[in-house]
Amino acid sequence: GAGVSQSPSNKVTEKGKDVELRCDPISGHTALYWYRQSLGQGLEFLIYFQGNSAPDKSGLPSDRFSAERTGGSVSTLTIQRTQQEDSAVYLCASSRAAGSGNTIYFGEGSWLTVV
Amino acid sequence: TQLLEQSPQFLSIQEGENLTVYCNSSSVFSSLQWYRQEPGEGPVLLVTVVTGGEVKKLKRLTFQFGDARKDSSLHITAAQPGDTGLYLCAGAPSGTYKYIFGTGTRLKVLA
Repeated sequence: GAGVSQSPSNKVTEKGKDVELRCDPISGHTALYWYRQSLGQGLEFLIYFQGNSAPDKSGLPSDRFSAERTGGSVSTLTIQRTQQEDSAVYLCASSRAAGSGNTIYFGEGSWLTVV
Repeated sequence: TQLLEQSPQFLSIQEGENLTVYCNSSSVFSSLQWYRQEPGEGPVLLVTVVTGGEVKKLKRLTFQFGDARKDSSLHITAAQPGDTGLYLCAGAPSGTYKYIFGTGTRLKVLA
């Protein structure tokens, strides 16, 4: 696609339910990143994927969070048993390759509200 | 552990004033990027600094990369209300691909 596409754009869920957030990166981009941004805060690194390498999951806040990237393209971030503190914007980004020498393109984010 | 610390966290100034935002780390970065983010949108890249000591200018914005490549600054001259937003520095520490963001500086320029 022309840009990074995320869905849903908005999600309201009840505490304890599972949610899946989807990211479709720019075609040909091998690196894909997930970040979380709470209201008015900076971006918190969650996980990144680079090609066929093992993902760096060091930013995932708990074992309720997981992510996968199928076929080196679309990625899904799953949050199990959601808690109110999970409410945030989840931003996905992609670049041609990993590392700060490559321009990173962001999606518009998925706004998650846990009630 | 936050590797990129920004200061100040919040800044409210009058139109026409100058300001500087700082981005500091104990780690070395091969390059650093600065972004601005508007409410409801993703961050938008402003500049990339690569060489230690490098200075880049973008109209009224001046970006500097520290000699040791551990810090950077953003200086805005004669701020305007359109400069209002969240400013973020970002980069991957040398030897890693983990691209991280600073804590952010929320700037409000009053007309």
